[in-house]
Amino acid sequence: GNSVTQMEGPVTLSEEAFLTINCTYTATGYPSLFWYVQYPGEGLQLLLKATKADDKGSNKGFEATYRKETTSFHLEKGSVQVSDSAVYFCALSVPGGSQGNLIFGKGTKLSVKP
Amino acid sequence: KAGVTQTPRYLIKTRGQQVTLSCSPISGHRSVSWYQQTPGQGLQFLFEYFSETQRNKGNFPGRFSGRQFSNSRSEMNVSTLELGDSALYLCASSSGQGAISSPLHFGNGTRLTVT
Repeated sequence: GNSVTQMEGPVTLSEEAFLTINCTYTATGYPSLFWYVQYPGEGLQLLLKATKADDKGSNKGFEATYRKETTSFHLEKGSVQVSDSAVYFCALSVPGGSQGNLIFGKGTKLSVKP
Repeated sequence: KAGVTQTPRYLIKTRGQQVTLSCSPISGHRSVSWYQQTPGQGLQFLFEYFSETQRNKGNFPGRFSGRQFSNSRSEMNVSTLELGDSALYLCASSSGQGAISSPLHFGNGTRLTVT
């Protein structure tokens, strides 16, 4: 079946530290991959996406590269800020599947200390 | 452009009751999906509606149902509530044209507590 595995949190970093949140997936065919972010008390917001192998999604200093050979889509940021504190979700959308049906990882909570 | 609006924000119900949650999608969006979010299970897909038709359904019991109206607004209903139904219910809308061209836009959710 299709699934997404994220590293367990919570992750606590100091401001300006480097961030990596690991995400691996299992899927039939060639999925599209996403990172969503959820701030306290809010719904999810799309952070970045990639549609095919070797694509790099980027937004707000965050990056993730679609690695087909390792079935991974790790999220990185070179210098985190306190405002990046949130829960991050990796997700996939399987080709031919329903667009509204995303498969999410369990989420990784990030806390950034000043 | 207004975002996805979910009402109410909070609900407290008793076991055995039923509840209806409402979602107004972004103007022009024809697809509405519902997700259940709990600390233990994370985000789980409930169902998706497109142009008033259910397009996909997740692995939830028949107590969970939904519908979509001609203006794309959607409701979900949970009957015979159980304690385990306590969760944040998220609605998401998109144009329905494909995950790449139109990703999901989520509302802030309805927090349901069953006592």
